[in-house]
Amino acid sequence: QSVLTQPPSVSAAPGQKVTISCSGTNSNIGSHYVTWYQQVPGTAPKVVIYENDQRPSEIPDRFSGSKSGTSATLGIAGLQTGDEAHFYCGTWDSSLNSVVFGGGTKLTVL
Amino acid sequence: HLVQSGTEVKKPGDSVIVSCEASHYSFTTYGITWVRQAPGQGLEWVGWINTKHGNTDYAHKLQGRVTLTRDTPTNTAYMELRSLRSDDTAIYYCARLTITTHRLDPWGLGTLVAVSS
Repeated sequence: QSVLTQPPSVSAAPGQKVTISCSGTNSNIGSHYVTWYQQVPGTAPKVVIYENDQRPSEIPDRFSGSKSGTSATLGIAGLQTGDEAHFYCGTWDSSLNSVVFGGGTKLTVL
Repeated sequence: HLVQSGTEVKKPGDSVIVSCEASHYSFTTYGITWVRQAPGQGLEWVGWINTKHGNTDYAHKLQGRVTLTRDTPTNTAYMELRSLRSDDTAIYYCARLTITTHRLDPWGLGTLVAVSS
């Protein structure tokens, strides 16, 4: 059971937009920055969004992030088949004194 | 860049040490976090080490079995896991931790630790 809650899967057609939610509490998302990680099977995770809504320079602007209260959202527009991966949200939890992750969301581009 | 040591195959009750050598940045400016991923499962935080001061935090479920250390002259971090069990079988990743934002970036390629009798 993960501390942060994500939907197990999302899907959409190429060119469409999808959003992935991440729900937490005041001790984690409500108090700390959220980072989103993309993991293609067989590879290490990489950052696609950091500090809630910032994109690394190598990540296309199709990827966006937002945070409100104790929830965060990752948006991916103009879906491409190459976007298929698992996505994880992560942050710090002040009560647990640990990094916490969501259970991961599998993105399928139909 | 973070370069990790190679695959380890261990028996239940053994110990394992995984290394993580950092390059191309100031080692003591960032922490090092360890995350593991069991086959087909999600990401599980193991712990982190403050590379400047050496203080650590560990996941509650691994307290007492895991120790994180670092060697600043060689820019290398280490994870030791003792009393291995079959459910410790996982890929163990090290990642650079930005302490103020808790961003994990970049990640090492991972080290497979397989525990089997």
